[in-house]
Amino acid sequence: AAGVIQSPRHLIKEKRETATLKCYPIPRHDTVYWYQQGPGQDPQFLISFYEKMQSDKGSIPDRFSAQQFSDYHSELNMSSLELGDSALYFCASSREGLGYNEQFFGPGTRLTVL
Amino acid sequence: TQLLEQSPQFLSIQEGENLTVYCNSSSVFSSLQWYRQEPGEGPVLLVTVVTGGEVKKLKRLTFQFGDARKDSSLHITAAQPGDTGLYLCAGVKGGGADGLTFGKGTHLIIQP
Repeated sequence: AAGVIQSPRHLIKEKRETATLKCYPIPRHDTVYWYQQGPGQDPQFLISFYEKMQSDKGSIPDRFSAQQFSDYHSELNMSSLELGDSALYFCASSREGLGYNEQFFGPGTRLTVL
Repeated sequence: TQLLEQSPQFLSIQEGENLTVYCNSSSVFSSLQWYRQEPGEGPVLLVTVVTGGEVKKLKRLTFQFGDARKDSSLHITAAQPGDTGLYLCAGVKGGGADGLTFGKGTHLIIQP
């Protein structure tokens, strides 16, 4: 079965640079979520989109923005990167009306800020 | 303050033993999901519980949702080395596209 696709899988950036992470949800899933997981931490919810509209917002820094496109893929844009932004970034997807907000996670993007 | 408290944080037992992992909160959740995560990989959904008192079984794993929908447990019977991993509970307070609130996880090691 098709899963959530994230790219790139690994990304190395310098401080103050920008980064863009991409997420392609499971086919026919209309909702995407972004999570950040620091070393030894549990995933922290950042933001979600349903039908291209922002739906829920968590602890997403103002330096980050995200959007969902007409083909339902999503991009997380990160600017003025800081050392503390180094983490695993997961995208998850779900389908409205299917199950109870069951979210299926991608393999993640490991971001390292030097 | 962690909204979902998981216990124990670490557990190392011998193959064949039984174990229970707990996920507790003072908040009511509309649903609660259990995930398993391997190092460097994304969490994999094991089960979703929705109804208070609900019990779901997945082979040797039994999941229960508390009557008040504030807590849940995961029981593994006759644990095997392949059960080793990080188990995370995650709750949804609303519905729709609400983000998950995760517990800090239980690191489980099953020794052969």
